[in-house]
Amino acid sequence: DAGVTQSPTHLIKTRGQQVTLRCSPKSGHDTVSWYQQALGQGPQFIFQYYEEEERQRGNFPDRFSGHQFPNYSSELNVNALLLGDSALYLCASSFYGYSNQPQHFGDGTRLSIL
Amino acid sequence: AQSVTQPDIHITVSEGASLELRCNYSYGATPYLFWYVQSPGQGLQLLLKYFSGDTLVQGIKGFEAEFKRSQSSFNLRKPSVHWSDAAEYFCAVGARSSNTGKLIFGQGTTLQVKP
Repeated sequence: DAGVTQSPTHLIKTRGQQVTLRCSPKSGHDTVSWYQQALGQGPQFIFQYYEEEERQRGNFPDRFSGHQFPNYSSELNVNALLLGDSALYLCASSFYGYSNQPQHFGDGTRLSIL
Repeated sequence: AQSVTQPDIHITVSEGASLELRCNYSYGATPYLFWYVQSPGQGLQLLLKYFSGDTLVQGIKGFEAEFKRSQSSFNLRKPSVHWSDAAEYFCAVGARSSNTGKLIFGQGTTLQVKP
């Protein structure tokens, strides 16, 4: 039973570029959440997708956007990259409507902005 | 404002000693409570969770946590620490009424284990 998988593992970009990160949820899960974890900090909620729609959004600018596909996988897109976007980006999956079920996290994508 | 505070940024204990990591939260109502562990270069692994019922919850790897409503705390404990427990530990809260599953995390506590 595959857990949450994310790709790529590492990515290096320069300021102003655009990036796409990918996530496949744990088998059977229908909801994907994205978190940003800056160095030395706890993860911060970016947004959550269910039924191909953004259901809730954290305090992140519109440069951060996402998408969910019919097979429940998801993409996180970040435009006009800033140095401050350097972080570990974590994807988590869960069942929608069951907030008492813990989210399962992937190993993350380490994004470095030069 | 909703928040989670982990007062200890860094803790060092000797192998075999007991451990307690502190977590305090500020929330409108009693949330769901979680402890996650993160090894270097890895994602988050769930150690334990509190939803309701017995306020002392048991988790994996010999960890336990106690929910104290009066203190808005959810401290993590382990009777005897192993060298493999060295990692980053995160306390998190989630809304009971929300379908979104959004979690709010503390800043984390880095655990170092001395041989």
